Amino acid sequence: NAGVTQTPKFQVLKTGQSMTLQCAQDMNHNSMYWYRQDPGMGLRLIYYSASEGTTDKGEVPNGYNVSRLNKREFSLRLESAAPSQTSVYFCASSITPTNEKLFFGSGTQLSVL
Amino acid sequence: SQQGEEDPQALSIQEGENATMNCSYKTSINNLQWYRQNSGRGLVHLILIRSNEREKHSGRLRVTLDTSKKSSSLLITASRAADTASYFCATALSGYSTLTFGKGTMLLVSP
Repeated sequence: NAGVTQTPKFQVLKTGQSMTLQCAQDMNHNSMYWYRQDPGMGLRLIYYSASEGTTDKGEVPNGYNVSRLNKREFSLRLESAAPSQTSVYFCASSITPTNEKLFFGSGTQLSVL
Repeated sequence: SQQGEEDPQALSIQEGENATMNCSYKTSINNLQWYRQNSGRGLVHLILIRSNEREKHSGRLRVTLDTSKKSSSLLITASRAADTASYFCATALSGYSTLTFGKGTMLLVSP
């Protein structure tokens, strides 16, 4: 049982480049989330999808877009990367959107030069 | 904005000792959760305590919740080197559907 799978694990971009972070879960969870983790800042929510077909902004959505492709997959897109988006990105999922426990992927370390 | 704040920021103990971490929050919550993160890995859920619960146990973990003081504590008994990790509290606010994480406590357990 793979759980939550994120790709890629590492990525280096130049300022202005675009990329998509992929996330898939095989636990039949309804809700999926994207967080970023910066040193000394903890985890901050970027976007989430409470259920298939819905997406909502989190605490720090600027510069990002998301797509809930189907129940399994939730992607995060950086249209024009900026150095401020250098971070570790985590995808997570939960059975329902009612504040139950999250299952996390192993993260994507992104550097924007 | 951060809802939960862990204290201390870092904690260093010897194997066999107990480790206590605290979390304070600002507004009413539905539940509070603790997660562990090993270096370079994703977060792993440890325990969830609901607002109407005062104490919960899971193996060597003991979590307490004091809603009047808006605080929680995580106690790890008989620590092992493998407990070395960062520990985060996360709060689920009443009426909201997402978790808000604190900045974490880095625990170092030396053999």
